[in-house]
Formats: sequence, C-alpha cells, structure tokens
Amino acid sequence: DTGVSQDPRHKITKRGQNVTFRCDPISEHNRLYWYRQTLGQGPEFLTYFQNEAQLEKSRLLSDRFSAERPKGSFSTLEIQRTEQGDSAMYLCASTLEVVGLQETQYFGPGTRLLVL
Amino acid sequence: DAKTTQPNSMESNEEEPVHLPCNHSTISGTDYIHWYRQLPSQGPEYVIHGLTSNVNNRMASLAIAEDRKSSTLILHRATLRDAAVYYCILKPRGQNFVFGPGTRLSVLP
Repeated sequence: DTGVSQDPRHKITKRGQNVTFRCDPISEHNRLYWYRQTLGQGPEFLTYFQNEAQLEKSRLLSDRFSAERPKGSFSTLEIQRTEQGDSAMYLCASTLEVVGLQETQYFGPGTRLLVL
Repeated sequence: DAKTTQPNSMESNEEEPVHLPCNHSTISGTDYIHWYRQLPSQGPEYVIHGLTSNVNNRMASLAIAEDRKSSTLILHRATLRDAAVYYCILKPRGQNFVFGPGTRLSVLP
C-alpha cells in the first residue's frame, strides 16, 4: 500500500530552532496539501501545490513557514525560528485533481511537533 | 467559508446503526457535502460525498435532506474500529476543504 507518507512522525525541538518535515504523496497525484491540526480541532489548511507550483497560501502561513515541492513529487515544509505556538500536528494530503470531478484527499499520518 | 454544525460527541453501541447529523443551512447549489473521519493517531480518511441524491458505499451511507440544509452520515453497524472524529465539510467549487471540530463518536462494546 503506497499511501501518503510523512517523515518524521514526531519531532521535539527547542524554541528558536528550525525544523523541516517531508511528505511523499501518492505517486500519480498532482496536488499536495499541507494542514496544521491542534488538539480538539479539525485540520486547518496551510498551503497547496499543483505539481511544483504553490498556488495558495493561508494567512496562517507566516513568513517563518516555507514549503516547496521542487519536482512535483515530494514536498517539504520548513518552520524557521520555531515558537511554542507552532506545536501541532502537521498533516500532508494528496489528490489527483481532475477538472469537473470532486477531489478525494488522501492524508498521511502526520508529523507531531512539540516546541519546548 | 462554508459552515457546518455538528454535535461535539455521540455514543453508539457496537453493532447498532449510527446516524451522525450535520446542519449546513447556508449551503449553495454547487456545494458538495463531504465526510471524512479521523481515527486516533491517524490522518483523516475519506468516507463519502454527495451533492443532492443519497449515496451509498462500502463504508457508509449519506442521506441528504431535500432542501440540502442538512445531511446524515449513516454507519449501518458500528464496530469498535469506527470510533473516530467525523467531519462534515461543504466543498464549494474551486475552494479548499474547511474542517470544523467534527463529532467524536464513541462505540461501546
């Protein structure tokens, strides 16, 4: 089963450090999403890519956050100068976007970040 | 953002049907209704979606009110593995999913 994978699954870091997360989507999927989820809440959209192009970014995505999908396959999400408020689950999802059809997003298991 | 309202939590007994309600009174004509669920320590997974007609798949059924202002996700025989948070989401065309807090379903043995 080659679903969406994320690495690492858990990350503990100290405030002020930089962290990078990786997402490997389902291979034929052209869209890749990043979400953030805090305890008791549903996932919140951060950004998405259509192939290698980053098409939309949420206002939640401060300038300390950057995401890339250099070859239209895997993606990375980097958080610079982490703050305690960045502690959350970071979820990646992918989908095959076909014009005229409703998309089904396939989520990875998430990366749980704890900033001390 | 399209809005839905769901109960915070529900309980069900194992092997009994479960009806999870969702209100979406501001739905517009082209908004699809999607349901996802999130099992403990996992990412969300797709359950079902529909526009106007009721829908069935191997996981669940989706009953959509005639005026489309509400819908119900039906699990025909709840199992312990169905314990999860269930999200009802309106998907306007060209817009992203907006997840609310969902309904936490507990299944009692």
